[in-house]
Amino acid sequence: GENVEQHPSTLSVQEGDSAVIKCTYSDSASNYFPWYKQELGKGPQLIIDIRSNVGEKKDQRIAVTLNKTAKHFSLHITETQPEDSAVYFCAASKFDDMRFGAGTRLTVKP
Amino acid sequence: DVKVTQSSRYLVKRTGEKVFLECVQDMDHENMFWYRQDPGLGLRLIYFSYDVKMKEKGDIPEGYSVSREKKERFSLILESASTNQTSMYLCASSLGGERNTEAFFGQGTRLTVV
Repeated sequence: GENVEQHPSTLSVQEGDSAVIKCTYSDSASNYFPWYKQELGKGPQLIIDIRSNVGEKKDQRIAVTLNKTAKHFSLHITETQPEDSAVYFCAASKFDDMRFGAGTRLTVKP
Repeated sequence: DVKVTQSSRYLVKRTGEKVFLECVQDMDHENMFWYRQDPGLGLRLIYFSYDVKMKEKGDIPEGYSVSREKKERFSLILESASTNQTSMYLCASSLGGERNTEAFFGQGTRLTVV
């Protein structure tokens, strides 16, 4: 089955700096790659996603890049703010079967 | 807005008990999922269902079963709870039909087995 690896497991940045989280996947048939943010006491919520026919997608301070050949994708958050502090999960999906990475705990220091 | 509701936020059960975790979604989604969340291990798929009465094993189905008698409801059953099943359990749903769309999550049920 699909195996998703996510790095780093923890990330601490100063407010205003950029944060990058990287994921790799194993199954070349995966074609949908969402990113989720989980705040304390809540379920994960989608923040951005990308499909395999697109190399990059941006939404305000958040961007995702996908390299299908290398089977890796990354989340980029610019101008980080304290409210960006949360756990972030990447996922890879094919035919609705979605598998997740281990998560990255991002801390943004004011 | 899609709403996925898990019946309990916190549960404490004894070893050997049969435990039912219930999940309901209100957006007519075809797919429903049960994940287990543990620190450092992320979200691991236990079971998913792509239609009523249909189920597929995920990565860690041992010790669990599921039931989907109605489209909106997906139950996770721990046949005989053990301490190593102490965890956060997350239910999710998605549109289905192999359209590969985002999953919507419930708030989670934190289960403690003593």
